[in-house]
Amino acid sequence: AQSVTQPDIHITVSEGASLELRCNYSYGATPYLFWYVQSPGQGLQLLLKYFSGDTLVQGIKGFEAEFKRSQSSFNLRKPSVHWSDAAEYFCAVGVRDTGGGNKLTFGTGTQLKVEL
Amino acid sequence: KAGVTQTPRYLIKTRGQQVTLSCSPISGHRSVSWYQQTPGQGLQFLFEYFSETQRNKGNFPGRFSGRQFSNSRSEMNVSTLELGDSALYLCASRTNGQVDNYGYTFGSGTRLTVV
Repeated sequence: AQSVTQPDIHITVSEGASLELRCNYSYGATPYLFWYVQSPGQGLQLLLKYFSGDTLVQGIKGFEAEFKRSQSSFNLRKPSVHWSDAAEYFCAVGVRDTGGGNKLTFGTGTQLKVEL
Repeated sequence: KAGVTQTPRYLIKTRGQQVTLSCSPISGHRSVSWYQQTPGQGLQFLFEYFSETQRNKGNFPGRFSGRQFSNSRSEMNVSTLELGDSALYLCASRTNGQVDNYGYTFGSGTRLTVV
């Protein structure tokens, strides 16, 4: 069965500092990988996605992620964090069932705090 | 264009009651999925509908059910509510039933509190 691990529950960075959020996945087939961000009381906003091709993926709000098959990782990065980036970040793997259905399996999330 | 709309935003119900949540997907989107988010269990898949057919179901009891209408709008129903059903219920839509076109667009959710 597929799974996603986000080893860091909480991360605190200073505004302007660089950021890397870790994500490891377990899935037998080619993974479809996503990063979502959630502000308090809100839904999930898609930051970026990886399906195939270039392993460095650019997303919205200055975020990027690198897919490393050998490490089963899809880490999210941002060179300079802004105070408005404080939120919870979720990594997810898209799974297609043998029956034709689809779903996302999420990690437990990383809560990002930004110090001014 | 309008995003995914979930109604109501907040709901308080009593244990044993039933509840119906509504989701209107982005225009043109035919696939709707539902997720439950709780502090203890995180984000868990409930079910997926495509063209009025349930394509996939998560590991939830039969008290959780859903349906999709011909205009792609979806509802989910929870019967005999339990305190543990208190959660944020998120709906997500996409254009077709496949994972590999682009990411799901999520609504803002319905916050259900069972007392």
